[in-house]
Amino acid sequence: GEDVEQSLFLSVREGDSSVINCTYTDSSSTYLYWYKQEPGAGLQLLTYIFSNMDMKQDQRLTVLLNKKDKHLSLRIADTQTGDSAIYFCAESITSGTYKYIFGTGTRLKVLA
Amino acid sequence: GAGVSQTPSNKVTEKGKYVELRCDPISGHTALYWYRQSLGQGPEFLIYFQGTGAADDSGLPNDRFFAVRPEGSVSTLKIQRTERGDSAVYLCASSPDGDYGYTFGSGTRLTVV
Repeated sequence: GEDVEQSLFLSVREGDSSVINCTYTDSSSTYLYWYKQEPGAGLQLLTYIFSNMDMKQDQRLTVLLNKKDKHLSLRIADTQTGDSAIYFCAESITSGTYKYIFGTGTRLKVLA
Repeated sequence: GAGVSQTPSNKVTEKGKYVELRCDPISGHTALYWYRQSLGQGPEFLIYFQGTGAADDSGLPNDRFFAVRPEGSVSTLKIQRTERGDSAVYLCASSPDGDYGYTFGSGTRLTVV
């Protein structure tokens, strides 16, 4: 079945780059997403990448997609304390309903 | 409204009771989703509406769960005979056409005691 895996924790120093990794299983996924969740809040869409792309850059965020290995990563440049949150990757299941399979989330802690 | 609104934000209920959770999507969004997020987990799909109809309810865990969207805007998730295992955050999301990313509400935290 479909599965999305992420490492649970990441700790970085303020100003460093963060790289959050994700592996997925559905090779027919059309879009892959990164969402951010702050304590007590809903999920905020950060960025997404279409499956025929290798890379997408959006300000401090860079998404890399290795479709052969079904590996997705999110790089945050110049990480700030406000970036501390849980980051979820999700794949869009191409069944016509656009439901997403989410990973368990990576908790990013930024140390001042 | 400007975003997806969910009410109540918190609900505590006794085991066996009936609850209704409401979602008000972004105006004009035809696609509406319900997800459930348990502690320490990612959201899990429950049901998808396109307009008034439930296009995919494959994620509903059992027949105690039901959702409606009678006029194609506001949706209500209904849970009968609640169990302690139903305790979770219930998230609603909407999008204009089903993909390119949804907008989530802040969720309803349901606690069954």
